[in-house]
Amino acid sequence: NAGVTQTPKFRILKIGQSMTLQCTQDMNHNYMYWYRQDPGMGLKLIYYSVGAGITDKGEVPNGYNVSRSTTEDFPLRLELAAPSQTSVYFCASSYLTVNTEAFFGQGTRLTVV
Amino acid sequence: TQLLEQSPQFLSIQEGENLTVYCNSSSVFSSLQWYRQEPGEGPVLLVTVVTGGEVKKLKRLTFQFGDARKDSSLHITAAQPGDTGLYLCAGAAGNNNDMRFGAGTRLTVKP
Repeated sequence: NAGVTQTPKFRILKIGQSMTLQCTQDMNHNYMYWYRQDPGMGLKLIYYSVGAGITDKGEVPNGYNVSRSTTEDFPLRLELAAPSQTSVYFCASSYLTVNTEAFFGQGTRLTVV
Repeated sequence: TQLLEQSPQFLSIQEGENLTVYCNSSSVFSSLQWYRQEPGEGPVLLVTVVTGGEVKKLKRLTFQFGDARKDSSLHITAAQPGDTGLYLCAGAAGNNNDMRFGAGTRLTVKP
């Protein structure tokens, strides 16, 4: 089973460039999340979605945008990359409610120079 | 201010020792989850605690949910080097749908 798949695994961006981090899950999960994890730290919630067509801001949404046109896909868009966005990004999904197990992708390591 | 405060931030112990890490909040949670993360990987769920006062055991790991459902603890008995990793608690406060994580406890167990 593929589970949660994130692409790319690594990326280097220049300041001001844009990119989309892709996330897809094949478990028919309603809930999907994007987190960032800075070195040695926990995960901070960027955006989340409780179903197709519904998205909400998390703790640190500034500088990011998301969309959820299908149940499977939840891309994260960086419009104007800044050095402060250098981090490891994790996408996750869970089944019916937020209290069920969240399954994580392998992460995308992004460096903005 | 973190919704979920974890302590200690770092813990380095010898193999065979016992340890307890804590996850505290001023908010009430319908459930709390504990995850373990290894370098280069995403977090993996260890346990979900749902009922206030609940105690769950997973081999040498014992998890407890506070009576008021605002805090939780993880106790490891006779720690082994394989227990080394980042331990994270997570939950959504009240009726919210946004799952938040604590900053984690980084555990190192030396052989």
